[in-house]
Amino acid sequence: QKEVEQNSGPLSVPEGAIASLNCTYSDRGSQSFFWYRQYSGKSPELIMSIYSNGDKEDGRFTAQLNKASQYVSLLIRDSQPSDSATYLCAVASGGYNKLIFGAGTRLAVHP
Amino acid sequence: ETGVTQSPTHLIKTRGQQVTLRCSSQSGHNTVSWYQQALGQGPQFIFQYYREEENGRGNFPPRFSGLQFPNYSSELNVNALELDDSALYLCASSSEASAYNEQFFGPGTRLTVL
Repeated sequence: QKEVEQNSGPLSVPEGAIASLNCTYSDRGSQSFFWYRQYSGKSPELIMSIYSNGDKEDGRFTAQLNKASQYVSLLIRDSQPSDSATYLCAVASGGYNKLIFGAGTRLAVHP
Repeated sequence: ETGVTQSPTHLIKTRGQQVTLRCSSQSGHNTVSWYQQALGQGPQFIFQYYREEENGRGNFPPRFSGLQFPNYSSELNVNALELDDSALYLCASSSEASAYNEQFFGPGTRLTVL
């Protein structure tokens, strides 16, 4: 079993729709969870961090965490073509907080 | 812009050669982590440096080594390059003072091994 799993996609949504990205993780002791956005040929950009069960909203982005189910999700409201990218789920592990990444979900927002 | 810089941007080497990659951390950050990202995969943790000491290491062989300097900048050295070392190398800086230890990535160095 992979430590962090994501659907590879592509996830295709029309402009203006809600995109829902999901991630599961195996280490029950994990405390910190992150979503990074990565455009083709670029480095990952941190867009959301979440540490407590429930929802965290920042603009058009909402991160959801359920530690009992070992599940993290990212919702993007009013999706724009500029949101088209690969979204990486990362889980902090170990005393020194190394990040374990999923393989990423490719999102395509079409006009 | 995260304030994390890396050099060089691109590099081409041949098998068996050695390479040094450099990273300058964001102002105020004292921790640097290095990751390797192969095409189509998520980044994989190589090691982390905190206050000039290696603070944790992933599943990479000893030919991957690093340094951190007093100004918190860092180097990644790879000896005896192999074809599979071709990847995007990312450094990320963070601060122990941050409640959540968020890591911010530099632009990366694209290494091609021929």
